[in-house]
Amino acid sequence: IAGITQAPTSQILAAGRRMTLRCTQDMRHNAMYWYRQDLGLGLRLIHYSNTAGTTGKGEVPDGYSVSRANTDDFPLTLASAVPSQTSVYFCASSAARGGTDTQYFGPGTRLTVL
Amino acid sequence: GQNIDQPTEMTATEGAIVQINCTYQTSGFNGLFWYQQHAGEAPTFLSYNVLDGLEEKGRFSSFLSRSKGYSYLLLKELQMKDSASYLCAPMDSNYQLIWGAGTKLIIKP
Repeated sequence: IAGITQAPTSQILAAGRRMTLRCTQDMRHNAMYWYRQDLGLGLRLIHYSNTAGTTGKGEVPDGYSVSRANTDDFPLTLASAVPSQTSVYFCASSAARGGTDTQYFGPGTRLTVL
Repeated sequence: GQNIDQPTEMTATEGAIVQINCTYQTSGFNGLFWYQQHAGEAPTFLSYNVLDGLEEKGRFSSFLSRSKGYSYLLLKELQMKDSASYLCAPMDSNYQLIWGAGTKLIIKP
């Protein structure tokens, strides 16, 4: 039972490059989320998806895009990376959005943009 | 605006009890979550409160007062493995979790 997997574990990226962070869950959860975590700040929501085929913007969506072609996968793309996007990125999922449904997190991707 | 306030860091002794407080202001309220996060790892779920009062789960308990915008996490019989950050996250009216920066708990022998 894997739960949520993320790839890569870590990446160093030159500014201006395009990068896709991968996230896959095997729990058949409807809702999925992308967060970034920076030192001294709480987790900030980038994008979310309530169900396959739908996505929504979170608190800090600029510079990022997502897609949800199926239930299991929720990739996050940085079209043209900038140094301010250096962060730890966590993917999470929950059975549904809202209510008491707990969010379960993947192991994270540590991204450095130079 | 929405705001979460919790202490940045706390220190406690192995075997003791520690209380981590969290005050919040959110647009609407749909319950409050506590997560544990060890350094370099993902957050993991600890507790969820939606009604006022104390929820006990083994060594960990969580308390909520909705009228005061206040919650605390109580950890008993502290163990070295409890050294971690503890994240308070109320859920607003849009069912979005609003995350605090977390409280780093240091356990000393």
